[in-house]
Amino acid sequence: GQQLNQSPQSMFIQEGEDVSMNCTSSSIFNTWLWYKQDPGEGPVLLIALYKAGELTSNGRLTAQFGITRKDSFLNISASIPSDVGIYFCAGQNGNKLVFGAGTILRVKS
Amino acid sequence: EAQVTQNPRYLITVTGKKLTVTCSQNMNHEYMSWYRQDPGLGLRQIYYSMNVEVTDKGDVPEGYKVSRKEKRNFPLILESPSPNQTSLYFCASSLQWGYNEQFFGPGTRLTVL
Repeated sequence: GQQLNQSPQSMFIQEGEDVSMNCTSSSIFNTWLWYKQDPGEGPVLLIALYKAGELTSNGRLTAQFGITRKDSFLNISASIPSDVGIYFCAGQNGNKLVFGAGTILRVKS
Repeated sequence: EAQVTQNPRYLITVTGKKLTVTCSQNMNHEYMSWYRQDPGLGLRQIYYSMNVEVTDKGDVPEGYKVSRKEKRNFPLILESPSPNQTSLYFCASSLQWGYNEQFFGPGTRLTVL
């Protein structure tokens, strides 16, 4: 099946630093999504991207839909302790939603 | 409160003993889906349902069954669980397919011995 390569696998950063993570695929997707999962909970949608080249912000979060439709990145600016969690990218085509393996983010305060 | 609920939240069982994980949503959503989450693999879709009595296989359907007799409920059935089905399971729903705000339940951690 379709697969997404998400990197990095994990990050341990200082509070206040900016964070970047990305997803790539060998397949084209019509929609890219970014989710965050807090410990012991289900994923929550952060940002949805619908057009190639689209750049969308949600507070300190910014995400872009790659021009080739095969990649997307998520940036978090000025990280804070509550940013800790697992971040998932997901690509959507038709009836299927394919998730990346996740990026574990830890923040040192 | 709008939510997706799953029961049980934790379950330890033995190989071959049939079990059902229930999922219920109170948002009148048409689309519901089951995922399993395993370390290093992210979330993989097991089954999904576009509406009542309409279900289809996801990427990893082997060993699972589902039913959608009512809009609000979408139970996941393991007829004969095996240790490789030990995982964290999530149910999700959205208004319709194409509405990307999928609401996830709190998860069910299943261990099959």
